Amino acid sequence: GAVVSQHPSWVICKSGTSVKIECRSLDFQATTMFWYRQFPKQSLMLMATSNEGSKATYEQGVEKDKFLINHASLTLSTLTVTSAHPEDSSFYICSAKIPGGQFFGPGTRLTVL
Amino acid sequence: AQSVTQLGSHVSVSEGALVLLRCNYSSSVPPYLFWYVQYPNQGLQLLLKYTTGATLVKGINGFEAEFKKSETSFHLTKPSAHMSDAAEYFCAVSATGATNKLIFGTGTLLAVQP
Repeated sequence: GAVVSQHPSWVICKSGTSVKIECRSLDFQATTMFWYRQFPKQSLMLMATSNEGSKATYEQGVEKDKFLINHASLTLSTLTVTSAHPEDSSFYICSAKIPGGQFFGPGTRLTVL
Repeated sequence: AQSVTQLGSHVSVSEGALVLLRCNYSSSVPPYLFWYVQYPNQGLQLLLKYTTGATLVKGINGFEAEFKKSETSFHLTKPSAHMSDAAEYFCAVSATGATNKLIFGTGTLLAVQP
């Protein structure tokens, strides 16, 4: 079946630094990927839709300059959290669109000190 | 616009008992409906989905859900709970269309008591 991977699975960084998270579709091509964030004991909130070869579409309230998304190939989308702050600490999950649904990655735990 | 309501943030059942997790949705267009399971510190795994056709949908691990349009519900059931079913369960809705944008409920944490 379809597999989506994320790297790294967890990362700890200092406040003010930038962190890049990769999302890969391992055995299929995904023209569209989605990025979600999940706070502890809460649901997933869609941050943005990433389309290969074009600009990402951000949800209302999500700062595009803060959360940079690049979808350079049909199997890779990256999310860069720029100038991270402790309030950006969260679980970030990507998914790849497939006909009739989405396959999710295992998530990346970001902790900003 | 779409929305999802999951009644009961925590549900506890005994091993072997019936599992019932409730989900009601709101959608202005025919919805696609999903149930996902999340184990601690992991991503989401699809349990089952309804798109069109048969309203009773069977998924993995013995779970099933029934789409009831008149009740705008998509409750998840399993006849006999197993300890390994303990996890967080999310109901989600997406509008039929090109984006497949998913709107998630707030989740239900299922505990299974021995």
